[in-house]
Amino acid sequence: AQRVTQPEKLLSVFKGAPVELKCNYSYSGSPELFWYVQYSRQRLQLLLRHISRESIKGFTADLNKGETSFHLKKPFAQEEDSAMYYCAQGSSNTGKLIFGQGTTLQVKP
Amino acid sequence: GAVVSQHPSWVICKSGTSVKIECRSLDFQATTMFWYRQFPKQSLMLMATSNEGSKATYEQGVEKDKFLINHASLTLSTLTVTSAHPEDSSFYICSASPMGGVQETQYFGPGTRLLVL
Repeated sequence: AQRVTQPEKLLSVFKGAPVELKCNYSYSGSPELFWYVQYSRQRLQLLLRHISRESIKGFTADLNKGETSFHLKKPFAQEEDSAMYYCAQGSSNTGKLIFGQGTTLQVKP
Repeated sequence: GAVVSQHPSWVICKSGTSVKIECRSLDFQATTMFWYRQFPKQSLMLMATSNEGSKATYEQGVEKDKFLINHASLTLSTLTVTSAHPEDSSFYICSASPMGGVQETQYFGPGTRLLVL
């Protein structure tokens, strides 16, 4: 079964520091991987997906098939980045998303 | 952008009653909708996949007779928690995949908080 692992429950950094939120997925050939973000009292929203290879709000994520990882990075964290971040793996057959446990990012002033 | 709504946003009910939660895609048609459950400070757990015009597919361990899903149209799916008990108290979230869009793209509703007394 597909499995997504986010090893850190909480990541606390100071404003301006680099951020890396870790995500490992179970091997499935050609994975569809996503990062979702949930700001306080807001709904879950898509941050980025690996196939688009875009940068959203300064965040990037690179798929590393050798390490089966899809870590989320930002060079300089901002206070408004404080939120819960979920890594998810999709299934092209079913459209399902399997979510990791989530990591709370806390950016301190 | 694609918007998904849920109604109600929160509900309190007595043990033994049934509660219906609606999920609507407001500005797009969705052949597939998903229902999740989220416990405090935990991740989303997929409960079932709802396809318009066909029976829902439930994840392992989810009681289909307990959580009835109806996907009556391309913009509406409902989740009915039957004979609710306190352990059913949770945050229920739906999502919808646009018809003709990339299959894994899901837009999420704001969630419904259910408290069973």
